[in-house]
Amino acid sequence: DTGVSQDPRHKITKRGQNVTFRCDPISEHNRLYWYRQTLGQGPEFLTYFQNEAQLEKSRLLSDRFSAERPKGSFSTLEIQRTEQGDSAMYLCASSLGQFGPGTRLTVL
Amino acid sequence: GQQLNQSPQSMFIQEGEDVSMNCTSSSIFNTWLWYKQDPGEGPVLLIALYKAGELTSNGRLTAQFGITRKDSFLNISASIPSDVGIYFCAGPSSGAGSYQLTFGKGTKLSVIP
Repeated sequence: DTGVSQDPRHKITKRGQNVTFRCDPISEHNRLYWYRQTLGQGPEFLTYFQNEAQLEKSRLLSDRFSAERPKGSFSTLEIQRTEQGDSAMYLCASSLGQFGPGTRLTVL
Repeated sequence: GQQLNQSPQSMFIQEGEDVSMNCTSSSIFNTWLWYKQDPGEGPVLLIALYKAGELTSNGRLTAQFGITRKDSFLNISASIPSDVGIYFCAGPSSGAGSYQLTFGKGTKLSVIP
């Protein structure tokens, strides 16, 4: 299967801990997007990469959030000092609007 | 910023019935996308529309890109239980070829067997 994959699928953490999520996009797709989805809402754009360059960041992406795509292939999204309000589904999408299965984050 | 309004918010239908849902925007979109999301999963792209007036089908699904470029609708014919889920419309909030998307809040579909 050459779809978008994300790891882990679920993460439970305590408030104040750091977490990191990984996204592997469809190979040869040069754009990669991160979204966040809370209950009852549609996904909201966070940031995107063209190859290894991070080109756009939403206001939703506070300074506790950082994303990287070091070799223009997989990407990581790190949240430092997690807060309960960070609990959400974090979704990654590839160039043609194809989404991965998401990482469900629960902050206790 | 751009907002997409979906209606209805939720609907309950009998298996075999046809379904219609729509999406409107205060601003023009050059692309409309329709997604379906199952619980605990990412959205799955159903149909993409690229031209005003375009009518596109994917099996029992049909979607149209409104002439004004400010609306789109999705029809599902002869619904079956696996159609249950949340349907989202989305459009790019950036330039052509971008998938930096604005999503509606979704229409939750329940199908009664």
